[in-house]
Amino acid sequence: DIQLTQFPSTLSASVGDRVTITCRASQSISFWLAWYQQKPGKAPTLLVYQASKLETWAPPRFSGSGSGTEFTLTISGLQPEDFATYYCQQYNNFFSYTFGQGTRVEIK
Amino acid sequence: QVQLVESGGGVVQPGRSLGLSCAASGFTFASYAMHWVRQTPGKGLEWVSTVWSNGDNKFYADSVKGRFTISRDNSNDMIYLQMNTLRVEDTAVYYCARGGNPFDYWGRGVLVTVSS
Repeated sequence: DIQLTQFPSTLSASVGDRVTITCRASQSISFWLAWYQQKPGKAPTLLVYQASKLETWAPPRFSGSGSGTEFTLTISGLQPEDFATYYCQQYNNFFSYTFGQGTRVEIK
Repeated sequence: QVQLVESGGGVVQPGRSLGLSCAASGFTFASYAMHWVRQTPGKGLEWVSTVWSNGDNKFYADSVKGRFTISRDNSNDMIYLQMNTLRVEDTAVYYCARGGNPFDYWGRGVLVTVSS
């Protein structure tokens, strides 16, 4: 099974900061990686797919990059509504999916 | 708009069974694979099971294989998760999700608590 290692687990930042979350796969997954945003008490919401494609609702301050085994999600200019938990997910094959452990972005 | 609404959660004793349902609307249900994902309280996400659009192909996480069964009814836009021989560690919020790849819409989730 493909494992995902996501870090940091918690990130303290201020409004306006640029933050980066990393997701590392145990084997190459090409660009089959997604990022989700989850707010307390809510379901996850798809944010980025195919490593770098933003969902239509996502503001351009969000960006995803990477391929193979190393991926990043960057938020350029953190806004109050961005404080949430972010998860990566690999979907390299269609019969087994894995999520990262999550990164909680909190207010410094 | 796309809506997914789960039902059937509750409290159940270890070793017992419980069935979950997910009602879909707002899209051509029969064209999409559907998934169940769970989240333990305060913890991360775990993929549980997938059923392809035709209902013939089904996949399970190792942690539930042999105990859980996914199914779908394309006539009524529903998916189901039959959970047997439940364990304490199955306690979680269970979400149904739509995909293709990846999971582009999720329901609000339903809580399953396995406790004696």
